[in-house]
Amino acid sequence: DVKVTQSSRYLVKRTGEKVFLECVQDMDHENMFWYRQDPGLGLRLIYFSYDVKMKEKGDIPEGYSVSREKKERFSLILESASTNQTSMYLCASSLTGRGAKNIQYFGAGTRLSVL
Amino acid sequence: KQEVTQIPAALSVPEGENLVLNCSFTDSAIYNLQWFRQDPGKGLTSLLLIQSSQREQTSGRLNASLDKSSGRSTLYIAASQPGDSATYLCAVYHSGNQFYFGTGTSLTVIP
Repeated sequence: DVKVTQSSRYLVKRTGEKVFLECVQDMDHENMFWYRQDPGLGLRLIYFSYDVKMKEKGDIPEGYSVSREKKERFSLILESASTNQTSMYLCASSLTGRGAKNIQYFGAGTRLSVL
Repeated sequence: KQEVTQIPAALSVPEGENLVLNCSFTDSAIYNLQWFRQDPGKGLTSLLLIQSSQREQTSGRLNASLDKSSGRSTLYIAASQPGDSATYLCAVYHSGNQFYFGTGTSLTVIP
């Protein structure tokens, strides 16, 4: 079974702190994604990466950055956390080149509260 | 840009009922459509994948259909149980390695 592991289930941080959210997958997937999920807004893509050291902005990249130094690990960084970044953050991974058979696998999520 | 809509946003049914959840999308040029289940405070669990060339997929009491030309998919749940209570999301896989999600239907099955 594919396993996508997010390092923290719950995080509480203060405004202005630098925050790191870590995600690791064990299936050698090329693509990794970071989403945030808010009530009524659904999942919104922050960033995705299709290879090591490669990244693409999603729909809402402002206030975030990412790092992918190794294939299995994709980190989301909040440079200076703000209260409007309080949300559920979900990491996902998928293969490349599977076309119609491509499936996204999700981690358990990190609930971040910024006070 | 692809837009995915799920109606209704919330649904309550008595245990044992059969029910249908709806998903619609604006751009029919998709590779596949995936249905997920999400329990409160948890991540997404994949339920069914329908490839663009397929019309339906079944897993146990779940049956998902896809009509790509009209931009619609349905998830049919037979003989609902309280354990089916969760939020159900659909997502379409589009070009550029991107997935587009609906906002989900929150299902409550009343014992």
